[in-house]
Amino acid sequence: KNEVEQSPQNLTAQEGEFITINCSYSVGISALHWLQQHPGGGIVSLFMLSSGKKKHGRLIATINIQEKHSSLHITASHPRDSAVYICAVKETSGSRLTFGEGTQLTVNP
Amino acid sequence: DTEVTQTPKHLVMGMTNKKSLKCEQHMGHRAMYWYKQKAKKPPELMFVYSYEKLSINESVPSRFSPECPNSSLLNLHLHALQPEDSALYLCASSQFGLLAETQYFGPGTRLLVL
Repeated sequence: KNEVEQSPQNLTAQEGEFITINCSYSVGISALHWLQQHPGGGIVSLFMLSSGKKKHGRLIATINIQEKHSSLHITASHPRDSAVYICAVKETSGSRLTFGEGTQLTVNP
Repeated sequence: DTEVTQTPKHLVMGMTNKKSLKCEQHMGHRAMYWYKQKAKKPPELMFVYSYEKLSINESVPSRFSPECPNSSLLNLHLHALQPEDSALYLCASSQFGLLAETQYFGPGTRLLVL
């Protein structure tokens, strides 16, 4: 069992739909990152969370430390949101990030 | 300037070649990272430099040799690679080297070993 699990693995949506991607983890963490990776490789750091909720434009990230769960929401999705979304956690013990397998999102016009 | 640059974008090399990947940032960050990413897999951390000193080496084979000449530059020297080393190599930087801080990624170097 992976320490960080994402769901779904693949998600296809129509433009304008509200999207949720989930991340569950089994270890104690000091921070959780959401990353976006477009085809071609470049990775953009979207959020870093240690508690609560953060919002940036149409993106919202939440984390529930007690339930060891985080969600990334995209409102009014657009084809340019098509990318792989990766959850990564910094364990409280240890010195590296543990990555989820990623969620491939495709938003169709 | 919030950009991490990597050169080259693409690299094809034979198993006997020696090549280097370069990474540069001018954000004043004191930590820089090398990741390896295989297709459809998440990035795997290889090395972390913090204040120009190697702080993490994730048991990477010695055919990969990192170098941090100064706080803005990070190199990855490659020698006698294997075809299974073909991957996307990503560089990242962060302010202090604490993994609980935002990392800024470069676009990557796509490496093919023949």
